[in-house]
Amino acid sequence: NAGVTQTPKFRILKIGQSMTLQCTQDMNHNYMYWYRQDPGMGLKLIYYSVGAGITDKGEVPNGYNVSRSTTEDFPLRLELAAPSQTSVYFCASSRRVTETQYFGPGTRLLVL
Amino acid sequence: RKEVEQDPGPFNVPEGATVAFNCTYSNSASQSFFWYRQDCRKEPKLLMSVYSSGNEDGRFTAQLNRASQYISLLIRDSKLSDSATYLCVVNMLGSSNTGKLIFGQGTTLQVKP
Repeated sequence: NAGVTQTPKFRILKIGQSMTLQCTQDMNHNYMYWYRQDPGMGLKLIYYSVGAGITDKGEVPNGYNVSRSTTEDFPLRLELAAPSQTSVYFCASSRRVTETQYFGPGTRLLVL
Repeated sequence: RKEVEQDPGPFNVPEGATVAFNCTYSNSASQSFFWYRQDCRKEPKLLMSVYSSGNEDGRFTAQLNRASQYISLLIRDSKLSDSATYLCVVNMLGSSNTGKLIFGQGTTLQVKP
């Protein structure tokens, strides 16, 4: 099992550009999550999904969109990149909402 | 009050020392508790779950105090490789019952030779 994989590992964007961060898990988990982590700070939940076709906002959803067309994939879309979105983005999945989450290796995003 | 609160540290300890971290949580209905470890520039990884009766895994001991709403992590005989940030994680039951895990900011541990 690869667990949770994320691509790309690192990306530089110009202000106003858009991009999609990819996340895939092969553990057949229903629950998937997107977090961002700013330097020296904790994780903040952006969006989460409880199953294919179902998504909901987390703590900091503004400027992002998600979709969940399959159990395995949970892409995160940035439409108009802003410097405030410079961060490390982690995708995670879990079997049940109260159970441990497994994280991908992260995507480092720099918006200039 | 933050939902999950930790002392960010850093805790600087010599090798072989015993160190303890506490974490407080605000939701008395919380049911699941974990300690995660995060190395610099890496993803968080589960260190151990925390059970009501307390649990031990080698040099690591986790305790839960529901009455005072805190959990603790004790590390005995610290190793250089224990240097990392330790995240306290608590599940919050939402009104829609979807619930979610809330991550504390983390406590940084530096073990010195």
